[in-house]
Amino acid sequence: AQSVTQLGSHVSVSEGALVLLRCNYSSSVPPYLFWYVQYPNQGLQLLLKYTTGATLVKGINGFEAEFKKSETSFHLTKPSAHMSDAAEYFCAVSDQGDKLIFGTGTRLQVFP
Amino acid sequence: EADIYQTPRYLVIGTGKKITLECSQTMGHDKMYWYQQDPGMELHLIHYSYGVNSTEKGDLSSESTVSRIRTEHFPLTLESARPSHTSQYLCASRAGGASEAFFGQGTRLTVV
Repeated sequence: AQSVTQLGSHVSVSEGALVLLRCNYSSSVPPYLFWYVQYPNQGLQLLLKYTTGATLVKGINGFEAEFKKSETSFHLTKPSAHMSDAAEYFCAVSDQGDKLIFGTGTRLQVFP
Repeated sequence: EADIYQTPRYLVIGTGKKITLECSQTMGHDKMYWYQQDPGMELHLIHYSYGVNSTEKGDLSSESTVSRIRTEHFPLTLESARPSHTSQYLCASRAGGASEAFFGQGTRLTVV
């Protein structure tokens, strides 16, 4: 069965600093991996996804993630944080069974 | 823009009442999901469906039930609401495989 681990339930950065949110997955088959963002009292919005091909994936709002099979990781990064990036971020994995499993989430705070 | 809708957005109801949370999508997706999320916490998969007349329980045990009589509709029912059911319920749909999930805005349920 697949699973997702997000290290760090809270991450705080200064505006303009690098954002790094960690995600490790477990899957018995090549996974499909996703990052979502959730703003207060909202549903989830897709940031980016990895399916096959290029391991560096670019998403919306300047975010990107790199799939590293050897490390079973799919960390999310952004070179320069903006105040509007403050939100909850979820990593998710799906195998060919089509269940979609989410990690525990990381709350990103951005300080001026 | 995602075409998946949940109603109601907010619901306050007394203990013992029967409630149905509605979820509809107009994208023709076969896969639909219900997640339960406490404020600031992770998403727990409680039900999913691979298509009409197909429903499965998720990883988190839930006293709710679901039905999938039509592709576009995936309602969740609580026969007798209890305070422990107070939570946010998120509905999602996807085409399956490598495709991303689209989320509704959520229903925030409070049982008093």
